[in-house]
Amino acid sequence: DTEVTQTPKHLVMGMTNKKSLKCEQHMGHRAMYWYKQKAKKPPELMFVYSYEKLSINESVPSRFSPECPNSSLLNLHLHALQPEDSALYLCASSQTDRGGEQFFGPGTRLTVL
Amino acid sequence: QQQVKQSPQSLIVQKGGISIINCAYENTAFDYFPWYQQFPGKGPALLIAIRPDVSEKKEGRFTISFNKSAKQFSLHIMDSQPGDSATYFCAASIRGGYNKLIFGAGTRLAVHP
Repeated sequence: DTEVTQTPKHLVMGMTNKKSLKCEQHMGHRAMYWYKQKAKKPPELMFVYSYEKLSINESVPSRFSPECPNSSLLNLHLHALQPEDSALYLCASSQTDRGGEQFFGPGTRLTVL
Repeated sequence: QQQVKQSPQSLIVQKGGISIINCAYENTAFDYFPWYQQFPGKGPALLIAIRPDVSEKKEGRFTISFNKSAKQFSLHIMDSQPGDSATYFCAASIRGGYNKLIFGAGTRLAVHP
């Protein structure tokens, strides 16, 4: 199984809502990533988790809160988002964070009204 | 120094032709250079990757050429097909550097029948 799954596929939320994005992989990977991708731009790294610990936070606003409950699961909790946060949110995983192929999920298309 | 510059921004090729996308980097610590293919509304998928100890890598119709001294690498798509129409991103990372991918800006390829 070389798949990274993400739910939901689409999410529309108001600026006062709290929602969560979910990512799952069953490849035994120990590194997981959140990326944000705006239209016609490359993915931008937000967070890196290695062995369920946060390794990198790319100065992401606190309205985005990541969580890694176990080695297969990665969540992104959203609260008080702004319309400019509307984007495709991508999850990826790799064997470790020391190098190698990153497998991306299909993404969650987020719209903030 | 952390940038990866990608060109062209967009490319139109006739079916059966060769598509060529170029990338350049400055940081000589980069040691892993993947190419990702992304279709609209989907996550990026790894196409092919190379390390600096080889000058060329071929997988089917896709070839990476790597010029270490010039700090440049390119993707060649032979016998381009309409199904190859997608956005292509080059990227670079440093082994041991939390596997952080630095992406190029992307090239939108359209292959016309």
